[in-house]
Amino acid sequence: ILNVEQSPQSLHVQEGDSTNFTCSFPSSNFYALHWYRWETAKSPEALFVMTLNGDEKKKGRISATLNTKEGYSYLYIKGSQPEDSATYLCAFLRAAGNKLTFGGGTRVLVKP
Amino acid sequence: EAQVTQNPRYLITVTGKKLTVTCSQNMNHEYMSWYRQDPGLGLRQIYYSMNVEVTDKGDVPEGYKVSRKEKRNFPLILESPSPNQTSLYFCASRREDYGYTFGSGTRLTVV
Repeated sequence: ILNVEQSPQSLHVQEGDSTNFTCSFPSSNFYALHWYRWETAKSPEALFVMTLNGDEKKKGRISATLNTKEGYSYLYIKGSQPEDSATYLCAFLRAAGNKLTFGGGTRVLVKP
Repeated sequence: EAQVTQNPRYLITVTGKKLTVTCSQNMNHEYMSWYRQDPGLGLRQIYYSMNVEVTDKGDVPEGYKVSRKEKRNFPLILESPSPNQTSLYFCASRREDYGYTFGSGTRLTVV
């Protein structure tokens, strides 16, 4: 089973502050790195699919970067709002196939 | 509306009684997967499919079967459920280079 690690497991952020967290994954057989947002009592929703080393993606106040050579990705939330509270999951897609392996997630709680 | 539909949402069953959880998508996606979510273990892939009649094992396939006879449907079959298959199950579909669209989940309890 592939090792996809996310850190920290959880974090508390004050409303208005910015934050970031990490996903590490195997640097070999890389095809794509996915980010998902998972709110309580809902289903995960796709944020980004990143495929190229150096990729940067942005959606509103959330952005992500990718380093495939060293096997890590950062997710950034700028000016956190209470509605950003969720678990953020990364997932590694290895070359050839549909075997998408999820990390354990980073649970973000934004305090007003 | 583009969606992945799973049924049932909730199911309580007894050990050994065969059951099927249905999954259907209306987006013409090639790829489909089943995941289970357990506390402390995250989302783990059970089976996946890359197209009609093409399926493969994920990380935790034991005790499960799938089939992909049509592009839109990807049922999950538990031939003889056991209590350790009590979990929250998600079906998901996607197309190449896009993220998954997840179903609403099926909460299964095996007693």
